[in-house]
Amino acid sequence: GEQVEQRPPHLSVREGDSAFITCTYTDPNSYYFFWYKQEPGASLQLLMKVFSSTEINEGQGFTVLLNKKDKRLSLNLTAAHPGDSAAYFCAVSGGNNNRIFFGDGTQLVVKP
Amino acid sequence: DAGVTQTPRHEVAEKGQTIILKCEPVSGHNDLFWYRQTKIQGLELLSYFRSKSLMEDGGAFKDRFKAEMLNSSFSTLKIQPTEPKDSAVYLCASSFLDYAEQFFGPGTRLTVL
Repeated sequence: GEQVEQRPPHLSVREGDSAFITCTYTDPNSYYFFWYKQEPGASLQLLMKVFSSTEINEGQGFTVLLNKKDKRLSLNLTAAHPGDSAAYFCAVSGGNNNRIFFGDGTQLVVKP
Repeated sequence: DAGVTQTPRHEVAEKGQTIILKCEPVSGHNDLFWYRQTKIQGLELLSYFRSKSLMEDGGAFKDRFKAEMLNSSFSTLKIQPTEPKDSAVYLCASSFLDYAEQFFGPGTRLTVL
């Protein structure tokens, strides 16, 4: 089945710096891709969903890049601030059903 | 719109007890998922229902974990008997057919003594 590898497991940056997280997956038929954010003590919150072949999506303070050729999904938090400190999870779906395969998460700490 | 609701938010059980966790998916969602989240293992799928039918039953969890979906708006996860290694956060999520993104409930934090 699908395997999703997420790096790095831990990331510490200074306020104003960028934080870059990347995931690779194995199933070339994967169709939907997600980034979730989990703040301490809270549940997972959907940040963004992407499904085009190669796409850059910009959200509030972050950019998501999907490269289906390389089977790579990335999240770049630009100008990170302490409120971005959380765990971030990438997730991949095959499209046949709504089963989602999650990465192991990246614990991000943004220091003032 | 109400999101996914889970009760209780916290549960403390003695080893060997039976506990039942509850989940109400987003109204109209077809798919419901139960996950277990720990720091060591991350997110593990326990069960997956589509329109109340069991689609996946996490192999490693079959013996003491049983999820049921009695109707389209209510699901339970029973752990019987509980063991200390079951201490974790149990998350319920739902999604709408063909849209894939899952919406998560607040979770139930289970502590087994």
